Amino acid sequence: AQKVTQAQTEISVVEKEDVTLDCVYETRDTTYYLFWYKQPPSGELVFLIRRNSFDEQNEISGRYSWNFQKSTSSFNFTITASQVVDSAVYFCALTNTNAGKSTFGDGTTLTVKP
Amino acid sequence: KAGVTQTPRYLIKTRGQQVTLSCSPISGHRSVSWYQQTPGQGLQFLFEYFSETQRNKGNFPGRFSGRQFSNSRSEMNVSTLELGDSALYLCASSPVPGAYEQYFGPGTRLTVT
Repeated sequence: AQKVTQAQTEISVVEKEDVTLDCVYETRDTTYYLFWYKQPPSGELVFLIRRNSFDEQNEISGRYSWNFQKSTSSFNFTITASQVVDSAVYFCALTNTNAGKSTFGDGTTLTVKP
Repeated sequence: KAGVTQTPRYLIKTRGQQVTLSCSPISGHRSVSWYQQTPGQGLQFLFEYFSETQRNKGNFPGRFSGRQFSNSRSEMNVSTLELGDSALYLCASSPVPGAYEQYFGPGTRLTVT
C-alpha cells in the first residue's frame, strides 16, 4: 500500500520569508515517481515537478527547490522569498510506475501575507 | 493545446438520483484518472482508465463507476446518490499511466441535497 503524509496542514508566513513544505511517503515499490502540485484559490491543480525514484538530485527552479532523500522517504519543497501569489494548497503525490495509481497527501495550505 | 475539460461544472442533485460526469482529456492523452476532493478527505483516487480499460480502482463503493471511450473521453457515474457524495470531482489526464505528470481539469462541483 502507498501512503503520502503531509504533516503540515496549514502554514502562514509573511512575504519574503522562506518556507518548506514537508512530504513523507511510504511504498514497497522500488520504482516510483513523486510529484508536487499546486492548487491556487481558483481551484485547478497545476503540476510543479516530477522526480523518479532513481534520481535523488535536488532541483531548483527559480524560487522553488525540491529536496528528495530516499533514505528518509522524504520529498520536501522549499519556496524562497515567498510571495502572496504563492498562497495555495500544495499536494505531494506518489505514483506507482507500473500500476499508474496515484496517491496524494492531504495537502498543505500555504498563506503568504503581505 | 486545449486543457482537460469537464462538464458540467456545477450540479445539484437530490439523494437517490444518479449522475454522470464527463471528462475530455488533452488531445493525445490516453490515460484518464478520476478523483474525489472533499475538505475532510482530501484527494481520493476513484479510478484510472487507459485504452478503454479500467486499470486501477480506489476504495469506493460500487455505486461509483466509469468508462472510457475510444477517443479517450471518459465518464463517471454515481448511482443512488448520498449526501456524502457532495464533493469536487476532478479528472486528470496524462499521455500514459504512471510516469507522467497529470493535467487536471477544473472539476465538477456536485452538491447532493
